[in-house]
Amino acid sequence: AQSVTQPDIHITVSEGASLELRCNYSYGATPYLFWYVQSPGQGLQLLLKYFSGDTLVQGIKGFEAEFKRSQSSFNLRKPSVHWSDAAEYFCAVGGMDSSYKLIFGSGTRLLVRP
Amino acid sequence: DAGVTQSPTHLIKTRGQQVTLRCSPISGHKSVSWYQQVLGQGPQFIFQYYEKEERGRGNFPDRFSARQFPNYSSELNVNALLLGDSALYLCASSSGQANSPLHFGNGTRLTVT
Repeated sequence: AQSVTQPDIHITVSEGASLELRCNYSYGATPYLFWYVQSPGQGLQLLLKYFSGDTLVQGIKGFEAEFKRSQSSFNLRKPSVHWSDAAEYFCAVGGMDSSYKLIFGSGTRLLVRP
Repeated sequence: DAGVTQSPTHLIKTRGQQVTLRCSPISGHKSVSWYQQVLGQGPQFIFQYYEKEERGRGNFPDRFSARQFPNYSSELNVNALLLGDSALYLCASSSGQANSPLHFGNGTRLTVT
């Protein structure tokens, strides 16, 4: 079955601290992987995507993610969190023939302590 | 450039009624996808349209239907509304190419009472 698991429902970090959000996926074909961020009452904004090539991808707002095929993971990282990063983060997987049909995880809510 | 625009932003309907949600894609994008996001969950795929044809459908009942117009805008229709249809409905557009990412609008918040 195709699925995305984000094991952490909530994460709280202090401003300036590093961040890692976990994502594990199950997908039968070559996966396309995405991280989206959603602020309250807003739609989803694409942070970064992985299609192929270098397994470490850089995104907007200082975020990066690393694709590890052997672990079926695509964890999101940021070296220093800002208060404005507080939001809900979604990992998603799609395929080459269905990049429009994304399967999303249930999200991780990030809280930032001042 | 304008992003994906959706209307209305909020809607309150009664059980059994019908609703139409609208979406305008980013200029130049020919593909529109619809997602349902229930509170506390990730979005779930409902439909994708490309060049006015349905390309994909998620696991939703026939009460859900959609269409795409020649200008690539799209409508999502839901008939015989149930309380469980209360959700944020997100529209996303893309160029339609295999590796083009989805760009989401801010959604329509539908409340069914």
